[in-house]
Amino acid sequence: NAGVTQTPKFRILKIGQSMTLQCAQDMNHNYMYWYRQDPGMGLKLIYYSVGAGITDKGEVPNGYNVSRSTTEDFPLRLELAAPSQTSVYFCASSYPPGQRYEQYFGPGTRLTVT
Amino acid sequence: AQTVTQSQPEMSVQEAETVTLSCTYDTSESDYYLFWYKQPPSRQMILVIRQEAYKQQNATENRFSVNFQKAAKSFSLKISDSQLGDAAMYFCAYLSGAGSYQLTFGKGTKLSVIP
Repeated sequence: NAGVTQTPKFRILKIGQSMTLQCAQDMNHNYMYWYRQDPGMGLKLIYYSVGAGITDKGEVPNGYNVSRSTTEDFPLRLELAAPSQTSVYFCASSYPPGQRYEQYFGPGTRLTVT
Repeated sequence: AQTVTQSQPEMSVQEAETVTLSCTYDTSESDYYLFWYKQPPSRQMILVIRQEAYKQQNATENRFSVNFQKAAKSFSLKISDSQLGDAAMYFCAYLSGAGSYQLTFGKGTKLSVIP
């Protein structure tokens, strides 16, 4: 049981390049999330999904896209990278909110855009 | 929109002593969840403790306990018998019980443990 895995761990992009951050979970969670964490700040929700084929925007979705074709995978796509997207990105998964609710986080991806 | 405020950017505690981290939140909802997450230098987000707003009893997990004051919208974390491994960033977070899936985080408190 690997939990939530993310690849890559680190990446440097040039302005205008694109890339996909990969996220997978093996806990059979329907709910998955993408957050970004800027220096000195808490995490902010980018996108979330409540099941395969269903995604919705969070607080800071601009400049990102997601897809959810399987329960296990939830990739995050950055198009036309900008310096403002320099951040640490976390993927998380959970069961639906309820008693004993918990979001399980991956180890994060540190992205630098120069 | 809900907001979460952690007013202590940094705290320190002597090993084996007790420390309390503060968190306040703003909401008009009656049904919600509150969490404390720990983030060590490895960056991994680790759930420390959760509290359901409908429960009056304060949550406890081993050396970690909360003081949940619903009327005051306060949710502080008490760490007893502090250990070197407790040194980390601690984030308070709020989740609406009304079907919103967004965890709203505070800016965090950096806890140092002095040997």
